[in-house]
Amino acid sequence: EAAVTQSPRNKVAVTGGKVTLSCNQTNNHNNMYWYRQDTGHGLRLIHYSYGAGSTEKGDIPDGYKASRPSQENFSLILELATPSQTSVYFCASGGDRGQSGNTLYFGEGSRLIVV
Amino acid sequence: SQWGEENLQALSIQEGEDVTMNCSYKTYTTVVQWYRQKSGKGPAQLILIRSNEREKRSGRLRATLDTSSQSSSLSITGTLATDTAVYFCATGGTNTGKLTFGDGTVLTVKP
Repeated sequence: EAAVTQSPRNKVAVTGGKVTLSCNQTNNHNNMYWYRQDTGHGLRLIHYSYGAGSTEKGDIPDGYKASRPSQENFSLILELATPSQTSVYFCASGGDRGQSGNTLYFGEGSRLIVV
Repeated sequence: SQWGEENLQALSIQEGEDVTMNCSYKTYTTVVQWYRQKSGKGPAQLILIRSNEREKRSGRLRATLDTSSQSSSLSITGTLATDTAVYFCATGGTNTGKLTFGDGTVLTVKP
């Protein structure tokens, strides 16, 4: 049973269009994260959240918004998609802030192509 | 090794061989995690090592951590073709819960 589920798994969007990537977790974790992964690179943090109603900027937040309407759900929003946002996006959930050694549990990724 | 300005590393070995992957990090940390990512999947944690452990084993895996040199290593003994994946080290996660990942090592194990 997948504890972190992302949708859609694949998406083709047009430049200037709006894209919403959704994530649902059943781990009952407070923290959730959105990372992007580009070919030949590791994961880079876009936005994260400590709980419902909270969103924080990560290392590369420009061009992205996030929404955490509930403990279980965390969305990543591209209001005006650009080709440079073509990437694979991963959602993760983890333990409480302040917990030493916070293990992250990842979804299977959402592949986005912006044409 | 991973991190800093270094690009993705790649290793190709035969099944049964042992392999060690290295990681150096810039920001002080007391915890290093190693993740494995198989093709088309999300990363999954393999092992977590704390500064007071210096070495930690889990099955065929062995991780080390040297905080004085800000480096960590992951060794796999008796590799299998199913060990083929990208391996990442990650630091952070203490105050904010955020993890910072290295660029990764692509390991190919040929049967």
